[in-house]
Amino acid sequence: AQSVTQLDSQVPVFEEAPVELRCNYSSSVSVYLFWYVQYPNQGLQLLLKYLSGSTLVKGINGFEAEFNKSQTSFHLRKPSVHISDTAEYFCAARGANNLFFGTGTRLTVIP
Amino acid sequence: DVKVTQSSRYLVKRTGEKVFLECVQDMDHENMFWYRQDPGLGLRLIYFSYDVKMKEKGDIPEGYSVSREKKERFSLILESASTNQTSMYLCASSLARRFYQPQHFGDGTRLSIL
Repeated sequence: AQSVTQLDSQVPVFEEAPVELRCNYSSSVSVYLFWYVQYPNQGLQLLLKYLSGSTLVKGINGFEAEFNKSQTSFHLRKPSVHISDTAEYFCAARGANNLFFGTGTRLTVIP
Repeated sequence: DVKVTQSSRYLVKRTGEKVFLECVQDMDHENMFWYRQDPGLGLRLIYFSYDVKMKEKGDIPEGYSVSREKKERFSLILESASTNQTSMYLCASSLARRFYQPQHFGDGTRLSIL
Protein backbone atom coordinates (compact mmCIF):
# COMPACT_ATOMS: atom_id res chain seq x y z
CA ALA A 1 0.00 0.00 0.00
CA GLN A 2 1.16 3.50 -0.78
CA SER A 3 2.61 5.06 2.35
CA VAL A 4 2.13 8.65 1.30
CA THR A 5 -0.53 9.70 -1.19
CA GLN A 6 -0.76 13.01 -2.96
CA LEU A 7 -4.12 12.97 -4.67
CA ASP A 8 -3.54 15.83 -7.09
CA SER A 9 -0.75 15.56 -9.62
CA GLN A 10 -1.34 19.09 -10.93
CA VAL A 11 -2.94 22.12 -9.33
CA PRO A 12 -3.38 25.33 -11.35
CA VAL A 13 -4.35 28.42 -9.37
CA PHE A 14 -4.55 32.12 -10.09
CA GLU A 15 -2.10 34.51 -8.49
CA GLU A 16 -3.20 35.79 -5.06
CA ALA A 17 -5.76 32.98 -4.70
CA PRO A 18 -5.54 30.47 -1.83
CA VAL A 19 -4.27 26.95 -2.44
CA GLU A 20 -4.40 23.61 -0.66
CA LEU A 21 -2.22 20.67 -1.66
CA ARG A 22 -3.46 17.41 -0.24
CA CYS A 23 -1.43 14.66 1.40
CA ASN A 24 -2.60 11.51 3.15
CA TYR A 25 -0.39 9.01 4.90
CA SER A 26 -0.91 5.40 5.86
CA SER A 27 -0.66 3.91 9.33
CA SER A 28 2.49 2.03 8.25
CA VAL A 29 4.57 5.18 8.57
CA SER A 30 5.36 7.27 11.58
CA VAL A 31 3.81 10.66 12.11
CA TYR A 32 6.99 12.51 11.37
CA LEU A 33 5.76 14.40 8.31
CA PHE A 34 7.40 16.79 5.91
CA TRP A 35 6.67 18.99 2.93
CA TYR A 36 9.42 19.71 0.43
CA VAL A 37 9.42 22.05 -2.57
CA GLN A 38 11.36 21.60 -5.78
CA TYR A 39 11.84 24.61 -8.02
CA PRO A 40 12.72 23.96 -11.69
CA ASN A 41 16.18 22.44 -12.16
CA GLN A 42 16.87 22.32 -8.45
CA GLY A 43 16.91 19.81 -5.65
CA LEU A 44 14.33 19.61 -2.88
CA GLN A 45 14.10 22.19 -0.11
CA LEU A 46 12.36 21.66 3.20
CA LEU A 47 9.19 23.79 3.56
CA LEU A 48 8.06 22.56 6.97
CA LYS A 49 7.93 19.53 9.23
CA TYR A 50 5.68 18.05 11.87
CA LEU A 51 7.29 16.00 14.63
CA SER A 52 4.93 16.53 17.57
CA GLY A 53 3.05 19.27 19.43
CA SER A 54 0.81 21.82 17.73
CA THR A 55 -1.04 20.35 14.78
CA LEU A 56 -0.68 23.57 12.78
CA VAL A 57 2.83 23.92 11.46
CA LYS A 58 4.17 27.07 9.85
CA GLY A 59 6.91 26.93 7.27
CA ILE A 60 8.85 29.16 4.97
CA ASN A 61 7.41 31.38 2.23
CA GLY A 62 4.04 31.74 3.99
CA PHE A 63 3.10 28.05 3.79
CA GLU A 64 1.49 26.12 6.62
CA ALA A 65 0.22 22.58 7.08
CA GLU A 66 -2.21 20.95 9.45
CA PHE A 67 -1.69 17.49 10.89
CA ASN A 68 -5.00 15.65 11.25
CA LYS A 69 -4.59 12.28 12.94
CA SER A 70 -8.21 11.16 12.54
CA GLN A 71 -8.11 11.79 8.80
CA THR A 72 -4.44 10.74 8.43
CA SER A 73 -3.82 13.91 6.49
CA PHE A 74 -1.17 16.59 6.33
CA HIS A 75 -2.46 19.14 3.82
CA LEU A 76 -0.36 22.12 2.78
CA ARG A 77 -1.97 25.55 2.49
CA LYS A 78 -1.15 29.09 1.52
CA PRO A 79 -3.70 31.91 1.73
CA SER A 80 -2.38 33.87 -1.25
CA VAL A 81 0.00 32.41 -3.82
CA HIS A 82 2.61 34.21 -5.85
CA ILE A 83 4.05 33.47 -9.27
CA SER A 84 7.26 32.38 -7.58
CA ASP A 85 5.40 29.54 -5.83
CA THR A 86 5.21 27.66 -9.12
CA ALA A 87 7.06 24.44 -8.34
CA GLU A 88 6.59 20.78 -7.49
CA TYR A 89 5.66 19.94 -3.93
CA PHE A 90 6.37 16.64 -2.21
CA CYS A 91 4.87 15.28 0.97
CA ALA A 92 7.03 12.81 2.89
CA ALA A 93 6.76 10.64 5.99
CA ARG A 94 9.40 8.88 8.00
CA GLY A 95 9.65 5.12 7.60
CA ALA A 96 11.87 2.73 9.52
CA ASN A 97 15.11 3.85 7.92
CA ASN A 98 14.29 6.62 5.49
CA LEU A 99 11.61 8.90 4.15
CA PHE A 100 8.69 7.81 2.00
CA PHE A 101 7.81 10.41 -0.59
CA GLY A 102 4.54 11.03 -2.35
CA THR A 103 4.47 11.29 -6.12
CA GLY A 104 4.39 15.08 -6.05
CA THR A 105 1.95 17.87 -6.92
CA ARG A 106 2.88 20.39 -9.57
CA LEU A 107 1.57 23.80 -8.54
CA THR A 108 1.22 26.27 -11.40
CA VAL A 109 0.38 29.86 -10.50
CA ILE A 110 -1.37 31.69 -13.30
CA PRO A 111 -0.88 35.47 -13.63
CA ASP B 1 25.00 26.96 5.27
CA VAL B 2 24.14 23.39 4.42
CA LYS B 3 25.65 22.19 1.16
CA VAL B 4 25.20 19.00 -0.81
CA THR B 5 27.08 19.05 -4.09
CA GLN B 6 26.55 16.68 -6.97
CA SER B 7 29.44 16.58 -9.40
CA SER B 8 27.44 16.93 -12.61
CA ARG B 9 24.16 18.62 -13.44
CA TYR B 10 23.82 16.88 -16.80
CA LEU B 11 25.44 13.68 -18.00
CA VAL B 12 25.10 11.71 -21.23
CA LYS B 13 26.44 8.17 -21.42
CA ARG B 14 26.11 5.15 -23.67
CA THR B 15 24.47 1.82 -22.99
CA GLY B 16 26.84 -0.58 -21.29
CA GLU B 17 29.14 2.09 -19.86
CA LYS B 18 30.05 2.14 -16.18
CA VAL B 19 28.78 5.43 -14.76
CA PHE B 20 29.82 7.17 -11.56
CA LEU B 21 27.70 9.84 -9.88
CA GLU B 22 29.43 11.68 -7.07
CA CYS B 23 27.96 13.48 -4.08
CA VAL B 24 29.73 15.47 -1.39
CA GLN B 25 28.27 17.07 1.73
CA ASP B 26 29.98 19.54 4.03
CA MET B 27 27.74 19.18 7.09
CA ASP B 28 29.40 16.18 8.75
CA HIS B 29 26.17 14.22 8.33
CA GLU B 30 26.21 10.50 9.03
CA ASN B 31 23.35 9.58 6.69
CA MET B 32 23.51 9.87 2.93
CA PHE B 33 20.97 8.80 0.33
CA TRP B 34 20.59 8.30 -3.41
CA TYR B 35 17.18 8.69 -5.02
CA ARG B 36 15.97 8.65 -8.56
CA GLN B 37 13.12 10.91 -9.61
CA ASP B 38 10.79 10.06 -12.48
CA PRO B 39 7.60 11.84 -13.57
CA GLY B 40 4.55 10.44 -11.83
CA LEU B 41 6.62 8.23 -9.56
CA GLY B 42 8.07 10.79 -7.18
CA LEU B 43 11.34 9.96 -5.46
CA ARG B 44 12.41 6.36 -5.05
CA LEU B 45 15.25 5.37 -2.76
CA ILE B 46 18.08 3.44 -4.41
CA TYR B 47 20.60 3.09 -1.58
CA PHE B 48 21.46 4.80 1.66
CA SER B 49 24.38 4.78 4.04
CA TYR B 50 24.46 5.61 7.73
CA ASP B 51 28.20 5.42 8.19
CA VAL B 52 31.47 5.09 6.32
CA LYS B 53 31.67 1.77 4.46
CA MET B 54 28.09 0.96 5.45
CA LYS B 55 25.29 0.69 2.92
CA GLU B 56 21.71 -0.43 2.84
CA LYS B 57 19.50 -1.23 -0.13
CA GLY B 58 16.54 1.00 -0.74
CA ASP B 59 13.46 0.25 -2.80
CA ILE B 60 15.10 -0.06 -6.23
CA PRO B 61 18.76 -1.14 -5.89
CA GLU B 62 18.89 -3.39 -8.96
CA GLY B 63 21.48 -2.27 -11.46
CA TYR B 64 23.16 0.09 -9.00
CA SER B 65 25.89 -0.06 -6.39
CA VAL B 66 27.31 2.54 -4.01
CA SER B 67 30.55 3.41 -2.31
CA ARG B 68 31.21 5.38 0.86
CA GLU B 69 34.89 5.46 1.66
CA LYS B 70 34.77 8.85 3.40
CA LYS B 71 32.06 10.38 5.52
CA GLU B 72 31.48 13.33 3.23
CA ARG B 73 31.32 11.44 -0.07
CA PHE B 74 28.73 8.98 -1.37
CA SER B 75 29.04 7.61 -4.88
CA LEU B 76 26.39 5.93 -6.99
CA ILE B 77 27.62 3.47 -9.61
CA LEU B 78 25.73 2.16 -12.59
CA GLU B 79 27.65 -1.02 -13.35
CA SER B 80 26.41 -1.32 -16.94
CA ALA B 81 24.16 1.56 -17.89
CA SER B 82 20.87 0.84 -19.62
CA THR B 83 18.33 3.15 -21.22
CA ASN B 84 15.81 2.56 -18.42
CA GLN B 85 18.25 4.23 -16.06
CA THR B 86 17.73 7.56 -17.80
CA SER B 87 16.44 9.71 -14.97
CA MET B 88 17.09 12.53 -12.51
CA TYR B 89 19.29 11.39 -9.64
CA LEU B 90 19.19 13.19 -6.30
CA CYS B 91 21.62 12.87 -3.44
CA ALA B 92 20.67 13.82 0.12
CA SER B 93 22.15 13.80 3.60
CA SER B 94 20.85 14.03 7.15
CA LEU B 95 22.04 13.89 10.74
CA ALA B 96 22.89 10.64 12.48
CA ARG B 97 20.32 7.89 12.88
CA ARG B 98 17.65 10.43 13.64
CA PHE B 99 15.50 9.81 10.64
CA TYR B 100 13.05 12.50 11.69
CA GLN B 101 15.72 15.03 10.87
CA PRO B 102 15.12 16.64 7.47
CA GLN B 103 17.18 15.58 4.52
CA HIS B 104 19.22 18.13 2.61
CA PHE B 105 19.32 17.67 -1.13
CA GLY B 106 21.73 18.42 -3.91
CA ASP B 107 20.55 20.00 -7.16
CA GLY B 108 20.38 16.68 -8.96
CA THR B 109 22.10 15.04 -11.93
CA ARG B 110 20.02 14.55 -15.05
CA LEU B 111 21.43 11.39 -16.61
CA SER B 112 20.65 10.31 -20.16
CA ILE B 113 21.66 6.86 -21.37
CA LEU B 114 21.73 6.55 -25.15
